[in-house]
Amino acid sequence: NAGVMQNPRHLVRRRGQEARLRCSPMKGHSHVYWYRQLPEEGLKFMVYLQKENIIDESGMPKERFSAEFPKEGPSILRIQQVVRGDSAAYFCASSPGEVEPYEQYFGPGTRLTVT
Amino acid sequence: AQSVTQLDSHVSVSEGTPVLLRCNYSSSYSPSLFWYVQHPNKGLQLLLKYTSAATLVKGINGFEAEFKKSETSFHLTKPSAHMSDAAEYFCVVSVGWNGGYNKLIFGAGTRLAVHP
Repeated sequence: NAGVMQNPRHLVRRRGQEARLRCSPMKGHSHVYWYRQLPEEGLKFMVYLQKENIIDESGMPKERFSAEFPKEGPSILRIQQVVRGDSAAYFCASSPGEVEPYEQYFGPGTRLTVT
Repeated sequence: AQSVTQLDSHVSVSEGTPVLLRCNYSSSYSPSLFWYVQHPNKGLQLLLKYTSAATLVKGINGFEAEFKKSETSFHLTKPSAHMSDAAEYFCVVSVGWNGGYNKLIFGAGTRLAVHP
Protein backbone atom coordinates (compact mmCIF):
# COMPACT_ATOMS: atom_id res chain seq x y z
CA ASN A 1 0.00 0.00 0.00
CA ALA A 2 1.72 3.13 -1.21
CA GLY A 3 1.92 6.02 1.21
CA VAL A 4 0.86 9.59 0.62
CA MET A 5 2.41 10.85 -2.60
CA GLN A 6 3.30 14.44 -3.27
CA ASN A 7 4.74 15.96 -6.40
CA PRO A 8 6.79 17.70 -7.31
CA ARG A 9 9.22 17.26 -4.41
CA HIS A 10 10.96 20.53 -5.26
CA LEU A 11 9.47 23.44 -7.13
CA VAL A 12 11.13 26.71 -8.09
CA ARG A 13 9.01 29.63 -9.22
CA ARG A 14 9.74 33.25 -9.99
CA ARG A 15 7.73 35.93 -8.26
CA GLY A 16 4.36 36.35 -9.91
CA GLN A 17 4.14 32.82 -11.31
CA GLU A 18 1.69 30.16 -10.23
CA ALA A 19 2.58 27.09 -8.17
CA ARG A 20 0.56 23.87 -8.27
CA LEU A 21 1.23 21.23 -5.66
CA ARG A 22 -0.29 17.77 -5.92
CA CYS A 23 -1.17 15.23 -3.27
CA SER A 24 -2.43 11.70 -3.75
CA PRO A 25 -3.76 10.29 -0.45
CA MET A 26 -3.23 6.76 0.73
CA LYS A 27 -5.52 4.21 -0.84
CA GLY A 28 -8.86 4.21 0.91
CA HIS A 29 -8.35 7.61 2.53
CA SER A 30 -10.96 10.23 1.77
CA HIS A 31 -9.72 13.04 4.03
CA VAL A 32 -6.86 15.33 2.98
CA TYR A 33 -5.10 18.03 4.96
CA TRP A 34 -2.53 20.59 3.82
CA TYR A 35 0.08 22.08 6.16
CA ARG A 36 2.80 24.65 5.59
CA GLN A 37 6.18 24.66 7.29
CA LEU A 38 8.13 27.88 7.18
CA PRO A 39 11.91 27.67 7.80
CA GLU A 40 12.76 26.84 11.42
CA GLU A 41 9.07 26.53 12.38
CA GLY A 42 6.54 23.81 13.04
CA LEU A 43 3.80 22.89 10.63
CA LYS A 44 0.73 25.12 10.40
CA PHE A 45 -2.66 23.83 9.33
CA MET A 46 -3.98 25.33 6.11
CA VAL A 47 -7.01 23.43 4.86
CA TYR A 48 -8.99 20.22 5.27
CA LEU A 49 -10.85 18.64 2.37
CA GLN A 50 -12.97 15.66 1.61
CA LYS A 51 -13.82 14.59 -1.91
CA GLU A 52 -15.28 17.61 -3.75
CA ASN A 53 -15.69 19.56 -0.50
CA ILE A 54 -13.65 22.05 1.46
CA ILE A 55 -14.50 21.43 5.10
CA ASP A 56 -12.19 23.84 6.91
CA GLU A 57 -9.98 26.45 5.27
CA SER A 58 -9.40 28.54 8.36
CA GLY A 59 -5.62 28.36 7.92
CA MET A 60 -5.52 29.43 4.30
CA PRO A 61 -4.37 32.95 3.42
CA LYS A 62 -7.36 34.88 2.16
CA GLU A 63 -5.83 35.72 -1.20
CA ARG A 64 -3.91 33.81 -3.87
CA PHE A 65 -4.28 30.38 -2.21
CA SER A 66 -6.86 27.78 -3.15
CA ALA A 67 -7.28 24.04 -2.74
CA GLU A 68 -9.40 21.35 -4.27
CA PHE A 69 -9.91 17.61 -3.99
CA PRO A 70 -11.88 16.49 -7.03
CA LYS A 71 -13.87 13.32 -7.34
CA GLU A 72 -11.13 11.85 -9.49
CA GLY A 73 -7.44 12.63 -9.20
CA PRO A 74 -5.17 14.18 -6.61
CA SER A 75 -5.76 17.08 -4.30
CA ILE A 76 -4.27 20.33 -5.61
CA LEU A 77 -2.95 23.27 -3.64
CA ARG A 78 -2.68 26.26 -5.91
CA ILE A 79 -0.78 29.45 -5.17
CA GLN A 80 -1.23 32.29 -7.62
CA GLN A 81 1.22 35.16 -8.10
CA VAL A 82 3.75 33.69 -5.71
CA VAL A 83 5.86 35.95 -3.50
CA ARG A 84 9.12 35.25 -1.65
CA GLY A 85 7.22 34.73 1.58
CA ASP A 86 5.50 31.69 0.06
CA SER A 87 8.81 29.82 0.10
CA ALA A 88 8.21 26.91 2.44
CA ALA A 89 7.68 23.19 2.64
CA TYR A 90 4.09 22.17 1.99
CA PHE A 91 2.97 18.87 3.45
CA CYS A 92 -0.11 16.89 2.66
CA ALA A 93 -1.60 14.35 5.03
CA SER A 94 -4.46 11.92 4.63
CA SER A 95 -6.63 9.93 6.96
CA PRO A 96 -9.38 7.38 6.58
CA GLY A 97 -11.59 9.63 8.65
CA GLU A 98 -13.58 6.88 10.24
CA VAL A 99 -11.26 5.52 12.94
CA GLU A 100 -10.23 7.44 16.04
CA PRO A 101 -8.01 9.20 16.65
CA TYR A 102 -8.16 9.91 12.95
CA GLU A 103 -4.44 9.47 12.59
CA GLN A 104 -2.93 11.44 9.77
CA TYR A 105 -0.27 10.04 7.46
CA PHE A 106 2.09 12.56 5.94
CA GLY A 107 3.63 12.77 2.52
CA PRO A 108 7.27 13.73 1.90
CA GLY A 109 6.38 17.35 1.19
CA THR A 110 6.93 19.80 -1.64
CA ARG A 111 9.64 22.37 -1.09
CA LEU A 112 8.69 25.58 -2.86
CA THR A 113 11.34 28.18 -3.55
CA VAL A 114 10.33 31.56 -4.92
CA THR A 115 13.11 33.52 -6.55
CA ALA B 1 -8.02 26.91 22.55
CA GLN B 2 -5.62 24.08 22.01
CA SER B 3 -1.89 24.76 21.92
CA VAL B 4 1.43 23.04 22.38
CA THR B 5 4.66 24.39 23.84
CA GLN B 6 7.93 22.59 23.34
CA LEU B 7 10.18 23.84 26.07
CA ASP B 8 13.52 23.35 24.32
CA SER B 9 14.32 24.37 20.76
CA HIS B 10 17.59 22.40 20.80
CA VAL B 11 18.72 19.40 22.83
CA SER B 12 22.17 17.86 22.59
CA VAL B 13 23.07 14.47 24.07
CA SER B 14 25.87 11.97 23.80
CA GLU B 15 25.26 8.62 22.17
CA GLY B 16 24.11 6.08 24.73
CA THR B 17 22.74 8.65 27.19
CA PRO B 18 19.04 9.28 27.92
CA VAL B 19 16.90 11.63 25.86
CA LEU B 20 14.24 13.93 27.29
CA LEU B 21 12.21 16.23 25.02
CA ARG B 22 9.69 18.31 26.92
CA CYS B 23 6.19 19.24 25.83
CA ASN B 24 3.32 21.02 27.58
CA TYR B 25 -0.14 21.27 26.09
CA SER B 26 -3.26 23.30 26.58
CA SER B 27 -6.60 21.80 25.70
CA SER B 28 -10.21 22.42 26.58
CA TYR B 29 -11.03 18.79 25.95
CA SER B 30 -9.49 15.46 26.73
CA PRO B 31 -6.71 15.68 24.18
CA SER B 32 -5.20 13.32 21.68
CA LEU B 33 -1.44 13.87 21.64
CA PHE B 34 1.24 12.77 19.25
CA TRP B 35 4.97 12.92 18.73
CA TYR B 36 6.26 13.10 15.16
CA VAL B 37 9.86 12.96 13.98
CA GLN B 38 11.24 14.69 10.89
CA HIS B 39 14.63 13.78 9.50
CA PRO B 40 16.37 16.39 7.34
CA ASN B 41 14.51 17.07 4.10
CA LYS B 42 12.11 14.24 4.80
CA GLY B 43 8.45 13.95 5.68
CA LEU B 44 7.03 13.32 9.11
CA GLN B 45 6.86 9.97 10.80
CA LEU B 46 4.58 9.17 13.70
CA LEU B 47 6.54 8.07 16.77
CA LEU B 48 3.65 7.49 19.15
CA LYS B 49 0.17 8.66 20.11
CA TYR B 50 -1.89 9.09 23.26
CA THR B 51 -5.65 8.66 23.02
CA SER B 52 -6.91 8.46 26.63
CA ALA B 53 -5.96 4.84 27.19
CA ALA B 54 -2.75 4.04 29.08
CA THR B 55 -0.89 7.14 30.25
CA LEU B 56 2.50 5.64 29.38
CA VAL B 57 2.70 5.25 25.64
CA LYS B 58 5.35 3.23 23.88
CA GLY B 59 6.34 4.11 20.35
CA ILE B 60 8.76 3.08 17.69
CA ASN B 61 12.56 3.03 17.97
CA GLY B 62 12.51 2.76 21.76
CA PHE B 63 10.75 6.06 22.41
CA GLU B 64 8.01 6.48 24.95
CA ALA B 65 5.98 9.33 26.41
CA GLU B 66 3.97 9.80 29.57
CA PHE B 67 0.73 11.75 29.68
CA LYS B 68 0.44 13.71 32.95
CA LYS B 69 -2.86 15.52 33.18
CA SER B 70 -2.00 17.31 36.42
CA GLU B 71 1.08 18.81 34.80
CA THR B 72 -0.43 19.12 31.29
CA SER B 73 2.73 17.49 30.00
CA PHE B 74 3.57 14.86 27.42
CA HIS B 75 7.36 14.52 27.53
CA LEU B 76 9.18 12.20 25.14
CA THR B 77 11.95 9.97 26.46
CA LYS B 78 14.37 7.32 25.31
CA PRO B 79 16.76 5.46 27.64
CA SER B 80 19.73 5.45 25.27
CA ALA B 81 20.26 7.78 22.31
CA HIS B 82 21.48 6.51 18.98
CA MET B 83 23.16 8.57 16.28
CA SER B 84 20.22 7.91 13.98
CA ASP B 85 17.90 9.69 16.46
CA ALA B 86 19.29 13.06 15.39
CA ALA B 87 16.29 14.85 13.89
CA GLU B 88 13.55 17.40 14.55
CA TYR B 89 10.80 16.28 16.92
CA PHE B 90 7.31 17.75 17.04
CA CYS B 91 4.78 17.48 19.82
CA VAL B 92 1.25 17.69 18.41
CA VAL B 93 -2.22 18.06 19.89
CA SER B 94 -5.34 17.13 18.00
CA VAL B 95 -8.36 19.38 17.81
CA GLY B 96 -11.27 17.03 17.49
CA TRP B 97 -14.42 17.70 15.54
CA ASN B 98 -17.44 15.64 14.77
CA GLY B 99 -17.42 13.39 11.79
CA GLY B 100 -13.92 12.05 11.87
CA TYR B 101 -11.99 15.24 11.38
CA ASN B 102 -9.12 16.41 13.48
CA LYS B 103 -6.88 19.39 12.96
CA LEU B 104 -3.34 18.98 14.23
CA ILE B 105 -1.69 21.78 16.17
CA PHE B 106 2.10 21.50 16.05
CA GLY B 107 4.68 22.70 18.51
CA ALA B 108 7.63 24.68 17.20
CA GLY B 109 9.86 21.61 17.28
CA THR B 110 12.93 20.44 19.18
CA ARG B 111 16.10 19.73 17.26
CA LEU B 112 17.91 16.76 18.78
CA ALA B 113 21.65 16.44 18.20
CA VAL B 114 23.45 13.24 19.15
CA HIS B 115 27.23 13.31 19.60
CA PRO B 116 29.57 10.32 19.52
